[in-house]
Amino acid sequence: GENVEQHPSTLSVQEGDSAVIKCTYSDSASNYFPWYKQELGKRPQLIIDIRSNVGEKKDQRIAVTLNKTAKHFSLHITETQPEDSAVYFCAAENTGFQKLVFGTGTRLLVSP
Amino acid sequence: GAGVSQSPSNKVTEKGKDVELRCDPISGHTALYWYRQSLGQGLEFLIYFQGNSAPDKSGLPSDRFSAERTGGSVSTLTIQRTQQEDSAVYLCASSLDWLKNEQFFGPGTRLTVL
Repeated sequence: GENVEQHPSTLSVQEGDSAVIKCTYSDSASNYFPWYKQELGKRPQLIIDIRSNVGEKKDQRIAVTLNKTAKHFSLHITETQPEDSAVYFCAAENTGFQKLVFGTGTRLLVSP
Repeated sequence: GAGVSQSPSNKVTEKGKDVELRCDPISGHTALYWYRQSLGQGLEFLIYFQGNSAPDKSGLPSDRFSAERTGGSVSTLTIQRTQQEDSAVYLCASSLDWLKNEQFFGPGTRLTVL
């Protein structure tokens, strides 16, 4: 089955810096890769996703890149703000199996 | 519109008791998922429903766990003879259908087994 690894487990940056979180997956048939943000005590919320037919997607300050050959994808947050502080989870899914496999999460702390 | 709702929000039970957790998906969403999140950990897939059927039960940790969905809407996750290691937040999510991948999560039920 699919296995998703996520690094780093914690990431501390200064406000305004960029943050990068990386994930690798094992199942080459996976074709959907979402990123979820979970604030303390809150539910996970989708912030961006990418499908295997594109290599990059941007939405304002966040972007996701996908390298299918290497089976890894990354989340990039530019001009970080304190409200970006949260736990971020990557996930991978083979649409045919409709089962999201999540990474273990990255705790991002943005200091003012 | 209304999002995914779950009840109860918190449940404290004694070891050995049975518990039922409820999930109300977004209206019209045919796919429903259950996950478990232990303290400080990631999300562990438990089971998914497409309509009332559960094509994938592979994530259920043991035969003490079961889930059902009736009428293509509300789902209940039942844990029999609870153990302390069952303590976690149980999250439910729904999506429009199996082709529309975005999953919308509920607020979760925090289960504590004493």
